[in-house]
Amino acid sequence: KNEVEQSPQNLTAQEGEFITINCSYSVGISALHWLQQHPGGGIVSLFMLSSGKKKHGRLIATINIQEKHSSLHITASHPRDSAVYICAVLSTGNQFYFGTGTSLTVIP
Amino acid sequence: ETGVTQSPTHLIKTRGQQVTLRCSSQSGHNTVSWYQQALGQGPQFIFQYYREEENGRGNFPPRFSGLQFPNYSSELNVNALELDDSALYLCASSLDGTGLSDTQYFGPGTRLTVL
Repeated sequence: KNEVEQSPQNLTAQEGEFITINCSYSVGISALHWLQQHPGGGIVSLFMLSSGKKKHGRLIATINIQEKHSSLHITASHPRDSAVYICAVLSTGNQFYFGTGTSLTVIP
Repeated sequence: ETGVTQSPTHLIKTRGQQVTLRCSSQSGHNTVSWYQQALGQGPQFIFQYYREEENGRGNFPPRFSGLQFPNYSSELNVNALELDDSALYLCASSLDGTGLSDTQYFGPGTRLTVL
């Protein structure tokens, strides 16, 4: 069993839809990251969370430490949001664990 | 543009060979982490260097080794290449501390194919 599980694995949405990607983890963590990976490999760090909620433009990330769960929301999705979204955690044991990613396709 | 560069962009090796991948971090970033990402999988943590010392390692064999230099560059060396080493290798730098506790800036990756 992976330490970090994401759902769904694949997601197709119409432009303008509200999107939620979920991440559950089984280890104690110091921090959780949401990463965006475009075709070709480039990875961009979207958010770093240790509690609560963060917002950047149309992106919102939340984390519930007690439930070991985080969500990434995209409001008013756009085709340029199409990418793989990866959840990653730094455990309290100083190990890094990554989810396998959620592949998002937004159709015009 | 993260300011983190990697070279080469891609390369092909044969089984048993050795390879060196390079990463140039943002100036002032004392921490560099290396990740292996197989096709269709999430990244796997290889190791992390902080001020030229290894300070964290994932579940990779000793034939994966690294170096970090004072000029904010680093290397990942893989000896005795195996077919399963074919992957995208990513480096990421951060200002200080333990990597994911700071914002990480990823390079574009080096795609290694082992035949």
